[in-house]
Amino acid sequence: DSGVTQTPKHLITATGQRVTLRCSPRSGDLSVYWYQQSLDQGLQFLIQYYNGEERAKGNILERFSAQQFPDLHSELNLSSLELGDSALYFCASSVLAGVADTQYFGPGTRLTVL
Amino acid sequence: AQTVTQSQPEMSVQEAETVTLSCTYDTSESDYYLFWYKQPPSRQMILVIRQEAYKQQNATENRFSVNFQKAAKSFSLKISDSQLGDAAMYFCAYRGSNTGNQFYFGTGTSLTVIP
Repeated sequence: DSGVTQTPKHLITATGQRVTLRCSPRSGDLSVYWYQQSLDQGLQFLIQYYNGEERAKGNILERFSAQQFPDLHSELNLSSLELGDSALYFCASSVLAGVADTQYFGPGTRLTVL
Repeated sequence: AQTVTQSQPEMSVQEAETVTLSCTYDTSESDYYLFWYKQPPSRQMILVIRQEAYKQQNATENRFSVNFQKAAKSFSLKISDSQLGDAAMYFCAYRGSNTGNQFYFGTGTSLTVIP
């Protein structure tokens, strides 16, 4: 158990819908990262927040957005869902935001778009 | 963008034997870190080992060690005395200070451990 929690574990929805994935970082960690892992694919970095501020942005679609709240939990919002958005979405956290910081991953949320 | 290449989609090893998983990367940065993550069937991503590019000494964590060849941009993972619990997908990852601290992952190597 990494100490990072993600809810829900599974989510099934229809095309065109909007969903919100939630992540709680490890106690004391200020940085949160979101990743997408499609079937048989490696992980794609989506976005990073540090202490409430966006720090880095990767291959995140415009239909996706995220935020980190004052209590440091983060939410990833996915809208106008398409079949291709079906994937495992991971959240990770680290103490700070530096390149040397180890990231600890949550168990993931499996999103299925029908 | 940085690229991380894992050229072995699948590998197998006999229990108690040694196996080496390959990883190469492309970068022009001097300050970066390399990681190996393990993803068992539970899909949880677990950090196996990390290597700082400025360190010449290869990292070691119990049965796991790396062979870091900086000039060749190679970062292989050696698993000694393989155990059934080592069966998983292994991902090599790169993180550099000049690329927004983003993680770049390879496509993974699926390791099977044969009893």
